[in-house]
Amino acid sequence: AQSVSQHNHHVILSEAASLELGCNYSYGGTVNLFWYVQYPGQHLQLLLKYFSGDPLVKGIKGFEAEFIKSKFSFNLRKPSVQWSDTAEYFCAVSPSGTYKYIFGTGTRLKVLA
Amino acid sequence: SAVISQKPSRDICQRGTSLTIQCQVDSQVTMMFWYRQQPGQSLTLIATANQGSEATYESGFVIDKFPISRPNLTFSTLTVSNMSPEDSSIYLCSVEPTGAGELFFGEGSRLTVL
Repeated sequence: AQSVSQHNHHVILSEAASLELGCNYSYGGTVNLFWYVQYPGQHLQLLLKYFSGDPLVKGIKGFEAEFIKSKFSFNLRKPSVQWSDTAEYFCAVSPSGTYKYIFGTGTRLKVLA
Repeated sequence: SAVISQKPSRDICQRGTSLTIQCQVDSQVTMMFWYRQQPGQSLTLIATANQGSEATYESGFVIDKFPISRPNLTFSTLTVSNMSPEDSSIYLCSVEPTGAGELFFGEGSRLTVL
């Protein structure tokens, strides 16, 4: 069955620390990849997405993610986090040509000021 | 893009009752999606609602428990019927506008069943 794994459920960092959140998926075909973020009290919104081309994708607010096809991974990174990055982050996969999205369980990030 | 409004934002309900959640989109969309987010779990697709046809339910979800209406291209409702505490969850309405290549979400409806 298709699935998405996010290895870190809770992450606590100090401001200016570097961030990397892991995401692995299981699906044999071509996929589109996403990271969504949910700030406290707000709705889910797209952080970045990958469809094809350069496997290093840049998103909003200084976030980037790298698609490594051989590892079925799409890890999210940010070199220096801010207190305002405190949120829950969801990795999602959508098999190409479908409307189905498979979400990971999310990672709660808390950034200490 | 799309702006989605959901009502209610939260509710506390008694076991055995039903609750209808409304979803309004600011633009016409072909498909609307209903997700459930249980505590500590990922978002799970309940069903896909197309205007003018019956909703398509995912494995583990049935129409009798989660009836859906889709009267037009900007509105949908999800009813959670005969609720039990296991139905306590956040229910999310979502759309993927044509050509957008991403999902847009409502704020969610947090349901607590006592």
